[in-house]
Amino acid sequence: DAKTTQPPSMDCAEGRAANLPCNHSTISGNEYVYWYRQIHSQGPQYIIHGLKNNETNEMASLIITEDRKSSTLILPHATLRDTAVYYCIVRVDPRAGGTSYGKLTFGQGTILTVHP
Amino acid sequence: EAGVAQSPRYKIIEKRQSVAFWCNPISGHATLYWYQQILGQGPKLLIQFQNNGVVDDSQLPKDRFSAERLKGVDSTLKIQPAKLEDSAVYLCASSLGQGKTQYFGPGTRLLVL
Repeated sequence: DAKTTQPPSMDCAEGRAANLPCNHSTISGNEYVYWYRQIHSQGPQYIIHGLKNNETNEMASLIITEDRKSSTLILPHATLRDTAVYYCIVRVDPRAGGTSYGKLTFGQGTILTVHP
Repeated sequence: EAGVAQSPRYKIIEKRQSVAFWCNPISGHATLYWYQQILGQGPKLLIQFQNNGVVDDSQLPKDRFSAERLKGVDSTLKIQPAKLEDSAVYLCASSLGQGKTQYFGPGTRLLVL
């Protein structure tokens, strides 16, 4: 699986947009970009994923560059409850074959702190 | 819809003792995962089941760790004997199938003294 690079920490003011960057310069054509977050003392929570098009759901938006080498997770109006570790993961589509079985490989993530 | 259930939530044991963790996945989810999360690190996959068969246990320390999912629903992860370095949070996750979105339980926090 391709590796990702994320800043170790970021701050954001409550009510403002939080933009979390992720570099995945060695991503392959059959690999998706997934975002999970982990609030303190809880299990990771799925946020959003995409292949090459931008995606939006009720939680966030995912912007993937045209060359797919980087992406940005956007929380449009951050709240205190969005304080968490955010993981950007590149995941092979298991339908593409091979032995990776679509596994998630977590890195260190970005600690996002939302301030009042 | 009920989420992934895990028990116990916390466990403290002495080194060389045995411990077991239990996971009940979301109903209908065929794929079940066990992860180990050491403090300050991201979760690391230990084992993945598809129904009651193992599809990936490449990172499971098989000399001391074992896991089973006999009826393709609940799963148990066991450590015997435990070492100090096994202190971690053990997370269970499930998904409808391989490659589908994984949903995580709250985890079991293990402390080995």
